[in-house]
Amino acid sequence: GAGVSQTPSNKVTEKGKYVELRCDPISGHTALYWYRQSLGQGPEFLIYFQGTGAADDSGLPNDRFFAVRPEGSVSTLKIQRTERGDSAVYLCASSLGAGGPYEQYFGPGTRLTVT
Amino acid sequence: GQNIDQPTEMTATEGAIVQINCTYQTSGFNGLFWYQQHAGEAPTFLSYNVLDGLEEKGRFSSFLSRSKGYSYLLLKELQMKDSASYLCAVMDSNYQLIWGAGTKLIIKP
Repeated sequence: GAGVSQTPSNKVTEKGKYVELRCDPISGHTALYWYRQSLGQGPEFLIYFQGTGAADDSGLPNDRFFAVRPEGSVSTLKIQRTERGDSAVYLCASSLGAGGPYEQYFGPGTRLTVT
Repeated sequence: GQNIDQPTEMTATEGAIVQINCTYQTSGFNGLFWYQQHAGEAPTFLSYNVLDGLEEKGRFSSFLSRSKGYSYLLLKELQMKDSASYLCAVMDSNYQLIWGAGTKLIIKP
């Protein structure tokens, strides 16, 4: 079956612009996670959804970052007024459930560059 | 605070054995994961340990000691394709993954 997909694969934007990053999880996976990863670092947790609701958004760095998952499947990470420090690879992962030792399956990521 | 430590980089020879260590301090423990990440690609699952001891899976094995807050990933019969970063991640009391920075493994012929 299809894995986790993310679009776009690359996004270059100017400082101050708004961007949307999309994640399409594995069908049937109820939990969806957003991470960002800088070069030479491990993934940094941003937010996770169980179904349609954000179960934990404690990793969002500030109120410029927002994510939705309106129908419990596809999710969009939205970044307002982008800053150069937002440049990173944004990874999405999904798992069968949450609240247990479920394996997370990762998408290929979106490389965001803010100029 | 929560902390995962692993070496930044290691070098090994094709056909040899390498051990990548990971030590952790986290709020709660619900298991430890190892993931492999090739450059420019997504992390992929390698192993999961929640009980003390060694889990073997082909050329890869993972060990856990909960009392010592310590794990290692053992790779045998190294192949060039094993050149990648290896990420250690601990699942905390909220079932969130806390990630180490990864160990870049370089395999030389």
